[in-house]
Amino acid sequence: SAVISQKPSRDICQRGTSLTIQCQVDSQVTMMFWYRQQPGQSLTLIATANQGSEATYESGFVIDKFPISRPNLTFSTLTVSNMSPEDSSIYLCSVTGVGLDTQYFGPGTRLTVL
Amino acid sequence: RKEVEQDPGPFNVPEGATVAFNCTYSNSASQSFFWYRQDCRKEPKLLMSVYSSGNEDGRFTAQLNRASQYISLLIRDSKLSDSATYLCAVNSDNAGNMLTFGGGTRLMVKP
Repeated sequence: SAVISQKPSRDICQRGTSLTIQCQVDSQVTMMFWYRQQPGQSLTLIATANQGSEATYESGFVIDKFPISRPNLTFSTLTVSNMSPEDSSIYLCSVTGVGLDTQYFGPGTRLTVL
Repeated sequence: RKEVEQDPGPFNVPEGATVAFNCTYSNSASQSFFWYRQDCRKEPKLLMSVYSSGNEDGRFTAQLNRASQYISLLIRDSKLSDSATYLCAVNSDNAGNMLTFGGGTRLMVKP
């Protein structure tokens, strides 16, 4: 497996502001993903973070709202922009790649928007 | 129809009971299947992969039924610590990197 960390682990933010979440892996990975999990719900894929190019977004998610960076094979950021209370959720990064049999998740960032 | 479906539960069982969950998938071309466990307020963690021949890990047995397009997870001799949400995941791309998750089945094991 891979060791994955996320920062911050939790935050409480005011509506209209933005928050950037960081995901760091202890080894180089091929794929990095960002998910959202709202209370009592399952995982919803936001986008695939591509190293050196624009992220690939799933239906219903757009770059202006969730800009993503992936400057190298071990690090990615997700920004939640112009937040509203509906963005309150847990945001999880996951990784997969050579030597990994499936996706492994970071510990998540619990976001509350007031 | 959702791509991956699970009964949300909750399944309330006494300690020592045997409990089974199913997960159906719609893409007949799917090749990789997994069960994850998610504790409250934690991230999903891989419990086990599901192989064509089925696989067993201690009290946990996973099976794949390609003809009916479902996977199953059997837990024997349930422990209090088995209480969690169990998510099935099915690969959704040819490379096997993308996963589609079911909604999860909640298990509560009671004394």
